[in-house]
Amino acid sequence: DTEVTQTPKHLVMGMTNKKSLKCEQHMGHRAMYWYKQKAKKPPELMFVYSYEKLSINESVPSRFSPECPNSSLLNLHLHALQPEDSALYLCASSQGVEGSNEQFFGPGTRLTVL
Amino acid sequence: KNQVEQSPQSLIILEGKNCTLQCNYTVSPFSNLRWYKQDTGRGPVSLTIMTFSENTKSNGRYTATLDADTKQSSLHITASQLSDSASYICVASIGGGADGLTFGKGTHLIIQP
Repeated sequence: DTEVTQTPKHLVMGMTNKKSLKCEQHMGHRAMYWYKQKAKKPPELMFVYSYEKLSINESVPSRFSPECPNSSLLNLHLHALQPEDSALYLCASSQGVEGSNEQFFGPGTRLTVL
Repeated sequence: KNQVEQSPQSLIILEGKNCTLQCNYTVSPFSNLRWYKQDTGRGPVSLTIMTFSENTKSNGRYTATLDADTKQSSLHITASQLSDSASYICVASIGGGADGLTFGKGTHLIIQP
């Protein structure tokens, strides 16, 4: 299996809702990432997990809460989001966190916050 | 400051024609350079990844070149197809941690029949 999968594909939520994005890979990768991408912009790194531990948090607001239950799964819990948080959320994985490792991206979750 | 500049911002060509996309980077220390294809609303898909010692790498109709001296890379698409319509993103890595990737803003390519 050489895929990164993400669910749901689309999500619409109100500012008071709590929702979660899910990401899964079965390539044996030990690093997993969350990116946020606005329209016509490059992806922006949010979080990096290495061996199931949070290694990088790019000063992301606390309304985004990542979780790595095991080496294959990565969640992003959302609470009290703002309309400006609407974006494509991408998950990626790689063998390790070193920059020489190729990152494999999932198809993304299109999030709309009303 | 690490930067990746891509040109052109957008490009329209006819199906069957060739095209070349450009990428200039200033990252230090340089580890590798990647080209990704991203369809609208989808995740990026890796096309090529090159280290400083590699000058060219092909993936089907896609051929990437790298000149580590001038810090330039290009992506050449041969015999374009409608399915090549996408954004092409150049990414330079400093080889350190996972936050060492610098993304370009991409070239938006449209193939017309």
